[in-house]
Amino acid sequence: DIQMTQSPSTLSASVGDRVTISCRASAHIHNWLAWYQQKPGKAPELLIRKASTLQSGVSSRFSGSGYGTEFTLTISSLQSDDFATYYCHQYEAYPRTFGQGTKVEFK
Amino acid sequence: QVQLQESGPGLAKPSETLSLTCTVSGGFIRSGDYYWNWIRQPPGKGLEWIGYIDHIGATRYNPSLKSRVLMSVDTSKNQFSLNLTSVTAADTAVYYCARGDWFDPWGQGTLVTVSS
Repeated sequence: DIQMTQSPSTLSASVGDRVTISCRASAHIHNWLAWYQQKPGKAPELLIRKASTLQSGVSSRFSGSGYGTEFTLTISSLQSDDFATYYCHQYEAYPRTFGQGTKVEFK
Repeated sequence: QVQLQESGPGLAKPSETLSLTCTVSGGFIRSGDYYWNWIRQPPGKGLEWIGYIDHIGATRYNPSLKSRVLMSVDTSKNQFSLNLTSVTAADTAVYYCARGDWFDPWGQGTLVTVSS
């Protein structure tokens, strides 16, 4: 299985901050990587696919980058609605796997 | 737009079979354009992919669950289903259905508790 490791596990930030979340794959996954946002009691929602393609309707303050084994999700200016848990997900190989999640909380 | 909705019992007894159905609206499973997935999330924990089924019933399961999972599809009802046998407390989770290689959209999820 391809292991996905996110860092940090928890991130404390304020509104307006630039936030960066990292995701490392244990094997080369090209750019077959997605990012999701999950709020308490809700299903995850797709933010980015193919490492850097913003899903329709998602704010442009979200961006993704990376290729191979190292990937990054950036929120350019954190808004109150962005406090949530974020997951990366590889769809290069089976079984599909997720990172353990990064919780973005109020500083 | 396409919407997915999980349904099924919220409680299962240990050693019994958990059965859930995902109903698709706003699109057709029979189009053959997507895989249809099941994903679960134990309370307070991360996400685990269970497997997928396509429009003709071809499946792929997570090896960690493969011996206990069976998925089926009913294109006439625009539904696909999950059966998980011999459940234990470790199978207590919110179960989601989701479309595609990258998962979008997701159903709202349904909590299944395994308890006697």
